[in-house]
Order: sequence, then C-alpha cells, then structure tokens
Amino acid sequence: DGGITQSPKYLFRKEGQNVTLSCEQNLNHDAMYWYRQDPGQGLRLIYYSQIVNDFQKGDIAEGYSVSREKKESFPLTVTSAQKNPTAFYLCASSVTSGGNIQYFGAGTRLSVL
Amino acid sequence: AQSVTQLGSHVSVSEGALVLLRCNYSSSVPPYLFWYVQYPNQGLQLLLKYTTGATLVKGINGFEAEFKKSETSFHLTKPSAHMSDAAEYFCAVSDRNDYKLSFGAGTTVTVRA
Repeated sequence: DGGITQSPKYLFRKEGQNVTLSCEQNLNHDAMYWYRQDPGQGLRLIYYSQIVNDFQKGDIAEGYSVSREKKESFPLTVTSAQKNPTAFYLCASSVTSGGNIQYFGAGTRLSVL
Repeated sequence: AQSVTQLGSHVSVSEGALVLLRCNYSSSVPPYLFWYVQYPNQGLQLLLKYTTGATLVKGINGFEAEFKKSETSFHLTKPSAHMSDAAEYFCAVSDRNDYKLSFGAGTTVTVRA
C-alpha cells in the first residue's frame, strides 16, 4: 500500500540529547514536510523539501535539522537546542503543483524525560 | 503568507444535528482551500478541497464546503452529525503560486448521543 510511514510512534528525549524522527514515503512525491502540532495551535511548518539534497526552513526551524538524501526519506532531528520539544510531529508529502493534496503520516509523539 | 482563522476551538452537537465549522482566510486573491480531519493520535486526512470551478464542494463522509469570495470564507457543513464525526478539523489554504499550506488552529467536534 502506498503511503507515509513515521517511526517511532512514541519517543522520549533526555536532557541534552538529540533524537531523530523517521519519515518514509512510497508515493513518489517530490515534496516532503515536517510539522509540529501543539494543542490549540494547529500545525506549524518546521522544514520542507521540494527536491533531493535541498530543503528550506519553515516557520519554526530553530532547534531542528533535516536531510534529504533520498526522495523517499526525510528524517527530522530534534536537537538539544530545542528547549521545548514535547509535541506531536507530523510528516507529509505532496506533488509540487498548486492545489495539491498533502498526505500525512500517523505522527510521532515526542516527550521529554 | 496566508492567514487562516477558524472560529470556535470547540463545537458540540447532538447526533443528527447540523455540523457547521467556520473558516476565513486573509488573501484578496482566492487561494486553494482545504479541509482536513484528524482522529486522536493519527495523521490528517483530506475531507475536501476547492481549487477552481463550482463553489460548493462535496467531500467524504457527507461533508461539504462552500467557497464565498465576497466573505473570504470556506465553511464546512454536514447536515446530520454521526458519532464517528467526533474529531479535530483543520482548514488550510495555499497561495495559487505555492504548494505549501497554512493551517488554522483547528476545531474539535464532539457529538452528543
């Protein structure tokens, strides 16, 4: 089945630790996105990529890093510089034409120990 | 960047009653418009979208939305609520020359038996 797979479903971070969230898609989409979701704030864009080996900062990129070495994969690293990492993280993908639909993974819930 | 306002963070309806969720956007140029639904601890799923043409758009699960340019609105309705409609709903917009989405803060729907 085509879709987006995020792992792990739950993740715990210790003080000063970097953690990496995985996102894989088999939809052959060029664009991929990472969002952070906090209660009452909707989805906020962290990073996005429209092509392999290229990515851009979204609205809240500080404390996060990404890579796009393969079309199918767009991992997100939450660094120790992100002081408030507890949130629900969603990965999405789409084609790069206007009016496109973004398809979402099931999310990763990150908590701080 | 587009601004999206969803009026009412929580809506409670009786089973069988009308569901009305409000969404207004900020652009003077009609954007692409979307409604997504999110069930607890899951990703987002597209309900419907408007790109061009007929202003009344029908989506999945009996939902529909009407684009009103004069009111810069894209309200979501369902004539008769079902218990399975309990979820969080997000309105999203993108500029016609862009593929990124801006999301509203979301509206949580509860359905009373």
